[in-house]
Amino acid sequence: QVQLVQSGAEVKKPGASVKVSCKASGYTFTSYYIHWVRQAPGQGLEWMGILNPSGGSTSYAQRFQGRVTMTRDTSTSTVYMELSSLRSEDTAVYYCARLLSDLLTGYHSFDYWGQGTLVTVSS
Amino acid sequence: DIQMTQSPSSLSASVGDRVTITCRASQSISSFLNWYQQRPGKAPKLLIYAPSTLQSGVPSRFSGSGSGTDFTLTISSLQPEDFATYYCQQSYSTPYTFGQGTKLEIK
Repeated sequence: QVQLVQSGAEVKKPGASVKVSCKASGYTFTSYYIHWVRQAPGQGLEWMGILNPSGGSTSYAQRFQGRVTMTRDTSTSTVYMELSSLRSEDTAVYYCARLLSDLLTGYHSFDYWGQGTLVTVSS
Repeated sequence: DIQMTQSPSSLSASVGDRVTITCRASQSISSFLNWYQQRPGKAPKLLIYAPSTLQSGVPSRFSGSGSGTDFTLTISSLQPEDFATYYCQQSYSTPYTFGQGTKLEIK
């Protein structure tokens, strides 16, 4: 069965960086794009960016440009999201999600999600 | 960026009720609209995409409709496990923005 398993909770100081992993299993890793979405405490969902596990190409939301880097390791079917220059506002649960693309219609949706990784930024 | 606006932000209802949640896009997104359910402490779960196709395993009491800028999610007869927060999302263009969420609570 398809699974996305994320790394554990992190506590970081302002200005530091954090790297969250998302290990995929149960499907062909390079066939599905992976997105990252975050959710601040008590808030809604915010899209951060996308990674193509096949070639490694990425696209990031404007507000994270310059601070976020998404990479992958095809040998372990793992995707990584690194966020730098952390501030208190980056305290959130970070999710990876698999993009399901309907080849006939072109519609996209996030059909599988990781369990989430809580990143706490505090001095 | 395409803005997604849901209404209402919260809703109180009883088991067995029929409820409707609306989602409006700031520009036309054709049918590139998805609905997710999120229970407390859990990851979102895909309910409906495109915007009326039920994801596998989702009960038929859930339905979606709309195109262009206006969309609806309907739950025909609320069950106890349906009390959660619902999000719409456009997948027409990146950034794939979400609505602010609708919290469905037990009356």
